[in-house]
Parts: sequence; C-alpha cells; structure tokens
Amino acid sequence: GDSVTQMEGPVTLSEEAFLTINCTYTATGYPSLFWYVQYPGEGLQLLLKATKADDKGSNKGFEATYRKETTSFHLEKGSVQVSDSAVYFCVLLYGNNRLAFGKGNQVVVIP
Amino acid sequence: NAGVTQTPKFQVLKTGQSMTLQCAQDMNHEYMSWYRQDPGMGLRLIHYSVGAGITDQGEVPNGYNVSRSTTEDFPLRLLSAAPSQTSVYFCASRNGASGLYEQYFGPGTRLTVT
Repeated sequence: GDSVTQMEGPVTLSEEAFLTINCTYTATGYPSLFWYVQYPGEGLQLLLKATKADDKGSNKGFEATYRKETTSFHLEKGSVQVSDSAVYFCVLLYGNNRLAFGKGNQVVVIP
Repeated sequence: NAGVTQTPKFQVLKTGQSMTLQCAQDMNHEYMSWYRQDPGMGLRLIHYSVGAGITDQGEVPNGYNVSRSTTEDFPLRLLSAAPSQTSVYFCASRNGASGLYEQYFGPGTRLTVT
C-alpha cells in the first residue's frame, strides 16, 4: 500500500546548523505530500505541502521539493534555531482521502 | 476560535474499564478523525467521519466505537480498556474538498491502561 519512510533515529544538531530529514514514499498514483511538525506537548501542525511533481513547499525557513524521479520529499532548513526542536512527520495523502504518516524524527537543536 | 479541543488531557484506566474521549471543533469542519500515536510508529487512523451521522473504520478500529450526532462533536469510546490501548490519542478535523490539504489536530489525550 501507499506509505512513507523516514530516516531512522533522532537528529541532534547545533544552532545555525543545516538540517536535512530524508523522506521517501511509495504510491500507486500521484499523491500529495506534507511535512507536519509536533512541538512538545502539542498536536501536529501542517508545516508545508506539495501537491504535484517538482512543487516546492516552504514555510518558516523550511523547504521540501516533490521529486517524482526519486520518490522523495526531503525536508531542509539552512540555519536551525532552538525553537525548531520538535518531531517532524512526513505524510502522504492518497486515495479515499487517507493520510499515511512516517514514523517521525525527533530534532533536538542545542544552543 | 478554539480550534480542536480534547478532554481529558490525561487518563489512567484499569483493564476492562470503559471511557469516552471527547473531541470538539468549532470550525464547522465536515471531516473528523481519531488517531493513535505510539512510539516509533507515527499516527494510525482509528475511525473517521465525513459528516454528521456518517462514520467509518480506519486502520486500527478494534476496541473502539465512534458516533457523530453533530458536526461539532466526535467522541471516541473505549468499550473495555486493554493495556495495548495505552497511547496518545489525537482528534483531527478538516474542511471537505476545499480543505483537503490541511488537518487541524487537537492537543491529544494521553491514556494509560494498567
């Protein structure tokens, strides 16, 4: 079935470092792709989205490009802040309006 | 707008007890869903509703019941709690077709079953 795979393990980095979180997907059609963020003690919030191939979603300094040829939607930010510490989920929207969630990556930014 | 609200925030149950997790939204959204979040597993869909009076099962519906008598409310009932239902539960809502791309999540209910 349609699914997403995120890189394993938490990510720990220093403030102002470059962040990349890898996400690849498996889908039979042309899904829409999202990154959601979960701050400590809160529900998930939409961070950015891309609805077709080569679209670039961006928000709050984060970017992700929908790459059909590599079935990827990697999340990047050029200079992270302590306030970016959160769990990040790659999410795919497929038939019947269902969402498939990746396992999430904990990001810890150290001052 | 309060958005999506959930009560309680925390709950401890003994095996075999029943309870209802409450969810309400004030955005007049048609679609509402319940998810559970377990460590290292992302979110999994339990039940969802596309409008008042209409509900359907998600990936992991066993042990849970839902109903949708109003647009605003979508309670989740645990009929006989089991330790395997220890999890964090999130309610979410969105518009119909026009809001296809964004779900609004509540703050979650952390449930422990002993």
